[in-house]
Amino acid sequence: GNSVTQMEGPVTLSEEAFLTINCTYTATGYPSLFWYVQYPGEGLQLLLKATKADDKGSNKGFEATYRKETTSFHLEKGSVQVSDSAVYFCALTLSGGTASKLTFGTGTRLQVTL
Amino acid sequence: DSGVTQTPKHLITATGQRVTLRCSPRSGDLSVYWYQQSLDQGLQFLIQYYNGEERAKGNILERFSAQQFPDLHSELNLSSLELGDSALYFCASSVGSVVGNEQFFGPGTRLTVL
Repeated sequence: GNSVTQMEGPVTLSEEAFLTINCTYTATGYPSLFWYVQYPGEGLQLLLKATKADDKGSNKGFEATYRKETTSFHLEKGSVQVSDSAVYFCALTLSGGTASKLTFGTGTRLQVTL
Repeated sequence: DSGVTQTPKHLITATGQRVTLRCSPRSGDLSVYWYQQSLDQGLQFLIQYYNGEERAKGNILERFSAQQFPDLHSELNLSSLELGDSALYFCASSVGSVVGNEQFFGPGTRLTVL
């Protein structure tokens, strides 16, 4: 079946540190890939997406590149801020058909300290 | 604010009871999705509706049912509740039903079954 694997958290970083959250996927077909962020007490917000191989999604200083050869979509940010503290979810949907359910990873909690 | 509204925000009930969760999608969105977020299962897709018709089913229990009404709002009905049904239930909406459409998430309904 289709699945998403994320690195275990929590990830604790000092402000201005470099962030990488690893995400790999297994899918039959050609998925679209997403990163969602969940701030405390809130719903999920789309952070960035990529719909085909070698696409780079970016938003708010975060980036992720769709790597088909390694089936990965790692999230990176050059300099994290305290306000980036949240839970980050990697997710995929599959091309074809008319349904577009999201399959999520387990989430990675990021804690940024001063 | 994503534009997706969910009511109620919190729900506390007893085992064996029945509850209804309500979702209003963003203006213009035709697709509604329901997801369950629990500590042991993570974020799981339950069901999707598009313009009143069921489009995809995920790990939704037979005790659970949903529908989308002509005004496009959706309801998720949970019956014969068990302790394990305690979770955060999210509704999301998107313009269409194709892969790659961004899904906008509501703030969720936290269900506690005692």
